[in-house]
Amino acid sequence: DQQVKQNSPSLSVQEGRISILNCDYTNSMFDYFLWYKKYPAEGPTFLISISSIKDKNEDGRFTVFLNKSAKHLSLHIVPSQPGDSAVYFCAASGDNNDMRFGAGTRLTVKP
Amino acid sequence: NAGVTQTPKFQVLKTGQSMTLQCAQDMNHEYMSWYRQDPGMGLRLIHYSVGAGITDQGEVPNGYNVSRSTTEDFPLRLLSAAPSQTSVYFCASSYSRLSYEQYFGPGTRLTVT
Repeated sequence: DQQVKQNSPSLSVQEGRISILNCDYTNSMFDYFLWYKKYPAEGPTFLISISSIKDKNEDGRFTVFLNKSAKHLSLHIVPSQPGDSAVYFCAASGDNNDMRFGAGTRLTVKP
Repeated sequence: NAGVTQTPKFQVLKTGQSMTLQCAQDMNHEYMSWYRQDPGMGLRLIHYSVGAGITDQGEVPNGYNVSRSTTEDFPLRLLSAAPSQTSVYFCASSYSRLSYEQYFGPGTRLTVT
């Protein structure tokens, strides 16, 4: 039972353009959402998060949007850079410490 | 700070063998957790701990044991390895259970033959 889904296994964009990564969840008890970035042979690193009381959070080139009614969140990267090429994981958690991750989206930013 | 460290980086086991994956953090974090990453499945929570002496099960705990005798260390024990436990294992920590942003170790790649 995958409660967090990333339906696009991969995404390729041109350097300088916008990257949009999508994530859907099914559990309405989730109230905190995160994005992690992972390079090969390394552990994931935290990128950005959003609480369910907000619908947008921005950090530099990264913006996360949350649509609670649709149970959908997205990560926007503007402008995309070759160094952003990595696997991005969406994660969600409620108040029970049980964090659920999506399967990941591999982003490739072409120079 | 070394952050979150994991040993070994790679391990090959035969079916039925047991082993312990080590995890340590030097950030005085209360919350520690173990995940496994499998292709197409993302990361799945195995066990977690909200402080020394306290552990609980995550999404996929069967076949694994944990203990937390100190704040720094959170070892994961495979009791009798099975090929289904072939995976990459990540340990993570955060300041407290209310700090959702976790710091991950570099991972241990385990193959069970």
